Formats: sequence, structure tokens, C-alpha cells
Amino acid sequence: QKEVEQNSGPLSVPEGAIASLNCTYSDRVSQSFFWYRQYSGKSPELIMSIYSNGDKEDGRFTAQLNKASQYVSLLIRDSQPSDSATYLCAVTNQAGTALIFGKGTTLSVSS
Amino acid sequence: DTAVSQTPKYLVTQMGNDKSIKCEQNLGHDTMYWYKQDSKKFLKIMFSYNNKELIINETVPNRFSPKSPDKAHLNLHINSLELGDSAVYFCASSQFLAGGESTQYFGPGTRLTVL
Repeated sequence: QKEVEQNSGPLSVPEGAIASLNCTYSDRVSQSFFWYRQYSGKSPELIMSIYSNGDKEDGRFTAQLNKASQYVSLLIRDSQPSDSATYLCAVTNQAGTALIFGKGTTLSVSS
Repeated sequence: DTAVSQTPKYLVTQMGNDKSIKCEQNLGHDTMYWYKQDSKKFLKIMFSYNNKELIINETVPNRFSPKSPDKAHLNLHINSLELGDSAVYFCASSQFLAGGESTQYFGPGTRLTVL
């Protein structure tokens, strides 16, 4: 069974700080990697996607991928209370036909 | 316009009943999915359809039967509901790309409670 591992948290950071979320995956052939944000009672929404090694930045968010270490991370700069949510790491299965999700990390940003 | 819609939003029913959840997407995508999110918030793939053809059927009891009448719709029928079926069911859609480099868009979810 291919797995995606995340620290469940909660991860608590003060407003304005950097939040760092980590994820490891077991299937070495996974090619595509995603971070979804899920507010309580809502559906997952895509924050970042990353397909090649290195960093990808979008506004306050930076995704980092290291395929050799099978590691994906998400940095949130200048964290805001509105960033408080569960962050789900997802990787594609071998065929690229479905996402395998981690159990999510709950982030709490205090003002 | 809602991109991926599901009905109903809430479903409360007794053990042993049969129920259906409907999903529609207006994004023109060719692939649709059903995910189950349990009480611990773990989101797991159940089924995947590409161009109305079943391409993924994870280890889901055969009481669950998906049906895709066309590329824009994917329904989920559940027979003989059990307490353990209580969860939030999410429909999603995407445009299939090699390597999985496509974004999946999720519907609002259907919260199923089996009493």
C-alpha cells in the first residue's frame, strides 16, 4: 500500500510567522505532487502543485520537492489567521489516475 | 456557476437502506472520481472514471456501485447501508494528463450519516 505521511499537528504559529508543513511519500515512481487546503466542513481546494525537483513559489506559498528523498514541503510566509485549516499533501498513483492523500496537518495561526 | 456539484449535501438514513449520491461537473473534464473522507478526515480514493469507463476501483465493498451516464456525471449508489459507511463523500473531476499533472476539483461533499 502506497503511503503519504504527514505530521498531524496541530501546528501553531503566530501571525506573521512562517509555517512549514512536511510530507513524505513511499512510491518512488510518483510524478505529481499537490498541496490542498481544507477548511472545516468544506471541500479540499488546491494551493500548490509541483512536478519537478526544487522550489515553486506562488505568492506567500512555496512548495519544495526532493524526489531523491521522497519529500515534499509547503512553506507559508507571513501566516494569517485565515490560513488556519488542514493542509493535505497528495501524490499521484503510479498510473497518474488518482491522488493518494496524507492524513493532513492542522495549522492554527494565532493573531 | 458551480464547477462540481453534488446532491444531496446531507443524507441521514437507517442501516440497511439503499441511497444514491449524484455528481455533476461543468468543467468539460474527462475524468471523475469519488473519494471518502472518514471521521478522522482521511481522504481516500474509491473510484475513478475516464470517459465513462471505470479505471480505478479501490478495495471498496461491492455494495458501492458507481455509474457514469456521460462524461459530466458520476453517481454513487450504495446498497444495504452500514454504520461504517458514515462519512463525507467527495466527488472530483479533472482533465486527464500524462503523469497526473492535472488539478482535481472537488465538489462540496455529501455528509452521509447512517443510524
